[in-house]
Amino acid sequence: EPEVTQTPSHQVTQMGQEVILRCVPISNHLYFYWYRQILGQKVEFLVSFYNNEISEKSEIFDDQFSVERPDGSNFTLKIRSTKLEDSAMYFCASSEPLGRGKLFFGSGTQLSVL
Amino acid sequence: GESVGLHLPTLSVQEGDNSIINCAYSNSASDYFIWYKQESGKGPQFIIDIRSNMDKRQGQRVTVLLNKTVKHLSLQIAATQPGDSAVYFCAEKGGGGSNYKLTFGKGTLLTVNP
Repeated sequence: EPEVTQTPSHQVTQMGQEVILRCVPISNHLYFYWYRQILGQKVEFLVSFYNNEISEKSEIFDDQFSVERPDGSNFTLKIRSTKLEDSAMYFCASSEPLGRGKLFFGSGTQLSVL
Repeated sequence: GESVGLHLPTLSVQEGDNSIINCAYSNSASDYFIWYKQESGKGPQFIIDIRSNMDKRQGQRVTVLLNKTVKHLSLQIAATQPGDSAVYFCAEKGGGGSNYKLTFGKGTLLTVNP
């Protein structure tokens, strides 16, 4: 069964450093997403991406965050200057048609900011 | 505002029993609801979905019920198995001009005792 893959599984960084989280969505999907989950809390929407542009973003997704689809397979989330409160599990997801909630999630990248 | 929440944070059942996990939502404009299962160390996995024009949908061993009058969603798992042990999230989409964002509830931890 096709799946969304994320790398790395764990990322430790110093506060103020830049990190890039990488994702390979399912190949025939057209919509891509980043969510995050702080330990013990809800899964929170960050951003959605379609046709090479952001289609929606949350208030969490401020100027420190950016997304990119640099080629036909990868989808990345960059945090320019990490803060302690950015520590969370970050999930990439992809889906087919607009309006459907059947997102396929990767296993996540656990980001720890020290 | 919009919010999705769960009535119970934990549920413990015996193997073979039926499980019912509940969820309340507050955004009456939501038109699509989804249940996800999250096992330890993995991303959310789609279980079943339902549109707001339906009140019941069945899958393999799972049934989702939607009561729009009281804004309540439930997931029923028949003949619960140890492999069903996980955190279950309800999520909703739609309303407020959002077509992309899933709003997740906090999650219910289901433990199946052998």
